[in-house]
Amino acid sequence: NAGVTQTPKFRILKIGQSMTLQCTQDMNHNYMYWYRQDPGMGLKLIYYSVGAGITDKGEVPNGYNVSRSTTEDFPLRLELAAPSQTSVYFCASSYRDSEAFFGQGTRLTVV
Amino acid sequence: GENVEQHPSTLSVQEGDSAVIKCTYSDSASNYFPWYKQELGKGPQLIIDIRSNVGEKKDQRIAVTLNKTAKHFSLHITETQPEDSAVYFCAARIIQGAQKLVFGQGTRLTINP
Repeated sequence: NAGVTQTPKFRILKIGQSMTLQCTQDMNHNYMYWYRQDPGMGLKLIYYSVGAGITDKGEVPNGYNVSRSTTEDFPLRLELAAPSQTSVYFCASSYRDSEAFFGQGTRLTVV
Repeated sequence: GENVEQHPSTLSVQEGDSAVIKCTYSDSASNYFPWYKQELGKGPQLIIDIRSNVGEKKDQRIAVTLNKTAKHFSLHITETQPEDSAVYFCAARIIQGAQKLVFGQGTRLTINP
């Protein structure tokens, strides 16, 4: 099993550009999450999903959008990138009430 | 809203000594408390977790204790080794609808040889 796979690993965006961070998991987990991690800080929840077709906002959803059309995939969309979105983004998945597995992260720089 | 506080933010100990990291949570309905270790350039990985129906859990050199009344839980690492150097995160699963996992701010642990 590959676990949680995120692409790309690194990306540089110009202000105002858009991009999609991809996340896929092969563990048949119903829960999926997107977190951002700023330097020296903890993990802030952006969006999460409890199953295909269901998404909800976390602590810091502004400037992001998500969709969950399948159990496996949970892409994160950035529209009109801003320098404040420079961060490392982690996708995770879990069953209800159990361990969350994380991807390796996407390091995004907005210049 | 939901909140998890973690202390200290940095911790430096001599190799062989013990390290303790503490967390408090705000929602008394939380019932699952994992600890994650994050090495440089990698995603967090679970090292131990505890559920609210037990007070302590141990796995070799790592132990976690939970005090539900005080709403705090702690990570204990004994006989520390250089490979224990990393950032550690506590988390709590908040029981409000869809069970979001909320993280503490992290502790950078350095083991000095």
